[in-house]
Amino acid sequence: DVKVTQSSRYLVKRTGEKVFLECVQDMDHENMFWYRQDPGLGLRLIYFSYDVKMKEKGDIPEGYSVSREKKERFSLILESASTNQTSMYLCASSLGPAVDYGYTFGSGTRLTVV
Amino acid sequence: QKEVEQNSGPLSVPEGAIASLNCTYSDRGSQSFFWYRQYSGKSPELIMSIYSNGDKEDGRFTAQLNKASQYVSLLIRDSQPSDSATYLCAAFNQAGTALIFGKGTTLSVSS
Repeated sequence: DVKVTQSSRYLVKRTGEKVFLECVQDMDHENMFWYRQDPGLGLRLIYFSYDVKMKEKGDIPEGYSVSREKKERFSLILESASTNQTSMYLCASSLGPAVDYGYTFGSGTRLTVV
Repeated sequence: QKEVEQNSGPLSVPEGAIASLNCTYSDRGSQSFFWYRQYSGKSPELIMSIYSNGDKEDGRFTAQLNKASQYVSLLIRDSQPSDSATYLCAAFNQAGTALIFGKGTTLSVSS
């Protein structure tokens, strides 16, 4: 069974902290994505990666960066956490062109910045 | 900015009825579409994909695509209380590299 694992289910961080959200997939997928989900705003794309060391900005990259040193791991970094980054963060992966395969999502990380 | 739009609901149907969920998209170039189901507090899970005009059936679910009218729909036959969830419609962005999601329609099936 395919699996996308996010390291933390719930996380509480202080304003100004550097925060790392980890995502690991065991399916040898090429494409990985980070979204955030907020009530009334839906799912919004932060960053995605289609290969190791490659990254592309999504619709709301400000305040975030990413790292993909290995194919199976895609990390989202909040450089200096702010309260407006309190959200549910969802990682997803796709085998090939997602146009054919769609996404598999991780279970999500609910981040609260205080 | 390409968009995918859905009525937020809630859509309420009795058990055993047909639930009809609708979605419109703005990019005429979009080629593939996906329906996800999301239970409260959980992550989205893929239900169906559709690429061609017409209907695609999978068990109790039927996806319908009309590219000329730029709408996608999902029909759920014999609705069950376990179908109560938020349903997300998704289409590809202009570059074809990532999915754009609608805000979702909340379905409530009463027993």
